[in-house]
Amino acid sequence: RKEVEQDPGPFNVPEGATVAFNCTYSNSASQSFFWYRQDCRKEPKLLMSVYSSGNEDGRFTAQLNRASQYISLLIRDSKLSDSATYLCVVSQIYNFNKFYFGSGTKLNVKP
Amino acid sequence: DGGITQSPKYLFRKEGQNVTLSCEQNLNHDAMYWYRQDPGQGLRLIYYSQIVNDFQKGDIAEGYSVSREKKESFPLTVTSAQKNPTAFYLCASRLDRDSRNQPQHFGDGTRLSIL
Repeated sequence: RKEVEQDPGPFNVPEGATVAFNCTYSNSASQSFFWYRQDCRKEPKLLMSVYSSGNEDGRFTAQLNRASQYISLLIRDSKLSDSATYLCVVSQIYNFNKFYFGSGTKLNVKP
Repeated sequence: DGGITQSPKYLFRKEGQNVTLSCEQNLNHDAMYWYRQDPGQGLRLIYYSQIVNDFQKGDIAEGYSVSREKKESFPLTVTSAQKNPTAFYLCASRLDRDSRNQPQHFGDGTRLSIL
């Protein structure tokens, strides 16, 4: 079983829409959680860390559900520039220097 | 300019040849990482290093070697034993090996192809 699983998509949404992705993790010892954004043929860039109580950064909201072992990313008022692949990343309490990446969820925002 | 520098941006390897990918960071980060990404797939960990002169194998270390002689440098050698080296190679670093919640930051990658 993969450590981190994501729906590959693509999610095709119109500009201005709200879209949400989930990411499930298999190891209950997972401790740190992040969302990265990756544009085509580019390196991943940190979008936001995910905190236990949930956190928001502008149009982006991240949530953690430890009981069901998933994290979510909500994007409000989608922009064309939000089109990218969103990667879920997890590390575990006994080795927080090792990170596990999901395969990513592709988002296409259309005019 | 602070950051993580990978070179070259594109690299071509002949059959049976070893090639070395460079990764340098001037962020004074403790930990450094090498990942491989194949088209349409996620990142897979090759090697990582938490401290100078120490490194650990990741999930796909076979056919690769690394060194960490200086804090700022973590070169990756793709040996002839790696039979399918064509991929996008990403180097990353992380500030504090003893901190739980710090993310990684990435260089802009090297694309390796077989001639």
